[in-house]
Amino acid sequence: GQNIDQPTEMTATEGAIVQINCTYQTSGFNGLFWYQQHAGEAPTFLSYNVLDGLEEKGRFSSFLSRSKGYSYLLLKELQMKDSASYLCAGSRAGGGNKLTFGTGTQLKVEL
Amino acid sequence: DTAVSQTPKYLVTQMGNDKSIKCEQNLGHDTMYWYKQDSKKFLKIMFSYNNKELIINETVPNRFSPKSPDKAHLNLHINSLELGDSAVYFCASSQGWGRGKPNTEAFFGQGTRLTVV
Repeated sequence: GQNIDQPTEMTATEGAIVQINCTYQTSGFNGLFWYQQHAGEAPTFLSYNVLDGLEEKGRFSSFLSRSKGYSYLLLKELQMKDSASYLCAGSRAGGGNKLTFGTGTQLKVEL
Repeated sequence: DTAVSQTPKYLVTQMGNDKSIKCEQNLGHDTMYWYKQDSKKFLKIMFSYNNKELIINETVPNRFSPKSPDKAHLNLHINSLELGDSAVYFCASSQGWGRGKPNTEAFFGQGTRLTVV
């Protein structure tokens, strides 16, 4: 099975940098996704890591260490609109492209 | 032009009723999913279809029955609704799966908020 852990809540200041950590324990792990979900809306894709290392995409970066079962999402130059839930999801190798989500980290960006 | 659309957006119904949620994707994807998000915002997969074939069926009561008439549609029918079925149900799609193919991101519909009273 899969087990995904991430902090429940975080608070950060506009313009700052925040790192949201995610640890996973999974059999047949294939890769790790990060999604953003604003209240009352659908999750939207942010990043996907399958190899170790850092993937950078504008203000957002995601890191993966397969040996440590660890990932983080880094958000730079925080904006108020970044206040949302950030969902870490592990995918399993083999049929189905099944995603197992963590409970999400609710990020609040303050002035 | 919405990529993954599901209807209705809100559904309020009484216990014991039968209801359906419809989902359509115009992305040309092979794989579609149903996810359930409970009050604690935990998103959990229920079913997955690839080219109309059921490939994932998690531990879901058999009151829930998905139907895929073609690869662009995946509907969810729920019989004998219970209070605990109240949640937001998300439909999603992605491009393909399987051995040798990289996982690709899933695109989610806007969700159907089901309230059973």
